[in-house]
Amino acid sequence: QVQLQQWGAGLMKPSETLSLTCVVDGGSLGTSWWFWIRQFPGKGLEYIGQMKSSGSSIYNPSLKSRVTLSIDTSKNHFSLRLNSVTAADTAVYYCARGDHSNTYYFDLWGQGTLVAVSS
Amino acid sequence: DIQMTQSPSAVSGSVGDRITITCRASQHIRTWLAWYQLKPGRAPKLLINGASSLQSGVPSRFSGSGSGTDFTLTISSLQPEDFATYYCQQADSFIPTFGGGTKVEIE
Repeated sequence: QVQLQQWGAGLMKPSETLSLTCVVDGGSLGTSWWFWIRQFPGKGLEYIGQMKSSGSSIYNPSLKSRVTLSIDTSKNHFSLRLNSVTAADTAVYYCARGDHSNTYYFDLWGQGTLVAVSS
Repeated sequence: DIQMTQSPSAVSGSVGDRITITCRASQHIRTWLAWYQLKPGRAPKLLINGASSLQSGVPSRFSGSGSGTDFTLTISSLQPEDFATYYCQQADSFIPTFGGGTKVEIE
């Protein structure tokens, strides 16, 4: 069965660039939209952005100036870069897949990566 | 952005109890609503989409209802594996937004 396996640095200092990667294990990127979502320590969830293998991407306007999404079809993975991190970016970061019936139903998720930003 | 408000923020229950979680949208979203179950260290799970359509493999004790601005998730008979945090999410706009979550705890 298809799984999303994600990895990346967990402890960062302010002003550094967060970098996470998510691989589609047991499947392909296909024509789905692929997402990044984060969960803050207070438990709120926030949409970061989305991308598909065609190269199309959409970002949350609140983060657009700091976020870069990329996708590598040869490696079956997609990535998130968030620059100039601060303590407010401390969160669990998830990758997810958009459902075919409605792109904004997330039917498959990675296990999450805790990213802590501290000086 | 569409604001999603969930209540309660936490609820205690025992195995076999029926619990209901409510979610209110700040504007009409028709039935473009999903419910998720989150557990620490685990991949989140989509339970319901379209406000009331059970995702494949999700037990029938879970059910969803509502349209417009008011929605509910009901667990008809709590099981040990159901203790988790539940979130609603609107899928009506290009910026999906989530409720604040409801933690279902053991009484």
